[in-house]
Amino acid sequence: DAGVTQSPTHLIKTRGQQVTLRCSPKSGHDTVSWYQQALGQGPQFIFQYYEEEERQRGNFPDRFSGHQFPNYSSELNVNALLLGDSALYLCASSPKGRGPQHFGDGTRLSIL
Amino acid sequence: QQQVKQSPQSLIVQKGGISIINCAYENTAFDYFPWYQQFPGKGPALLIAIRPDVSEKKEGRFTISFNKSAKQFSLHIMDSQPGDSATYFCAASNSGAGSYQLTFGKGTKLSVIP
Repeated sequence: DAGVTQSPTHLIKTRGQQVTLRCSPKSGHDTVSWYQQALGQGPQFIFQYYEEEERQRGNFPDRFSGHQFPNYSSELNVNALLLGDSALYLCASSPKGRGPQHFGDGTRLSIL
Repeated sequence: QQQVKQSPQSLIVQKGGISIINCAYENTAFDYFPWYQQFPGKGPALLIAIRPDVSEKKEGRFTISFNKSAKQFSLHIMDSQPGDSATYFCAASNSGAGSYQLTFGKGTKLSVIP
């Protein structure tokens, strides 16, 4: 039973560039949430996707956008990258947004 | 505004001892309180969770104690082992209002020494 998988594992970008991160949810899960975890901090909620719609959004600018596909996988897009966007980006899945959220191992994004 | 405050920031416990991590929340609408364990280079893994209708929940060596009136909850790790050395996060959400986001504390780095 595959858990939450994220790609790529690591990514290095420069300021101003755009990046796309990918997530496949745990088998049987249809809801995907994205979190940003800065070094030494707890994860912060970015947004959640269910039925291919953004259902809820945290306090992140419009530079952060997402998408969910019919197979429940999801993408996180970040435009106009800033140095402060350097973080571990975590994807979590759950069934219909309820119940325990299961996390992937994240994508480590470094901005130079 | 930090809605979930976690302490201590770091904790050193001898093998076999009890590790205690505390969290306090502000939003009285929170109704789901999970604890996550995170190892370096890995994502958070759900350990144990509690809802406000019970004051304590135990799973193996891990126990959550919940005090609704004080708006506090804590994680107790009994018989702590070196393999428990990790960062622990408390979190909270308000599932009743259809809010699905988890609000996390800042984490506690636990080191269990032999």
